[in-house]
Amino acid sequence: QQPVQSPQAVILREGEDAVINCSSSKALYSVHWYRQKHGEAPIFLMILLKGGEQKGHDKISASFNEKKQQSSLYLTASQLSYSGTYFCGTVYNQGGKLIFGQGTELSVKP
Amino acid sequence: EPEVTQTPSHQVTQMGQEVILRCVPISNHLYFYWYRQILGQKVEFLVSFYNNEISEKSEIFDDQFSVERPDGSNFTLKIRSTKLEDSAMYFCASSVEGRGTEAFFGQGTRLTVV
Repeated sequence: QQPVQSPQAVILREGEDAVINCSSSKALYSVHWYRQKHGEAPIFLMILLKGGEQKGHDKISASFNEKKQQSSLYLTASQLSYSGTYFCGTVYNQGGKLIFGQGTELSVKP
Repeated sequence: EPEVTQTPSHQVTQMGQEVILRCVPISNHLYFYWYRQILGQKVEFLVSFYNNEISEKSEIFDDQFSVERPDGSNFTLKIRSTKLEDSAMYFCASSVEGRGTEAFFGQGTRLTVV
């Protein structure tokens, strides 16, 4: 039931773009994206609900392809502050638990 | 801004001892969760709690674990007889509703079993 994230790790130069993917083998109700800095709690980025949608704020956006049961997180013109581990979390039914993927470690270098 | 608070921030315990991790969820939230993160690994779901009972639990949440909401504000995770492999960061989270709404995480309790 755990979603699968790819890639496992990304190294970027400041200003470059990145895409992180999250796939499920089971029909999704919603997808959540979190970022976690080392030693800190996961911080919520956004939720996407089934029905297929795209969301974004600032230079971070995400899409949800309900047919493929996939979500992608897009980071454009990356900043040093974007460094961290990005987790997608999936909910399979209304009221269901949030299950996290294994994480994607993003490092942005100057 | 309301936040989830957890105490203690770090606890060291001897193997076989009981520990209680405490959480104060955001006051108007109805769903409460415990997650665990072993160092360097992903965040793992342990249990969800709604209306004073467990709504879901994972295979990790075996008989040595229990949760309680002893009063109107605290939400606790008890580990009855700790093992070395219980060493991890334990996160409490809460959400307004269970249907995929944003879960707010506390800063975590680092449990070290020696």
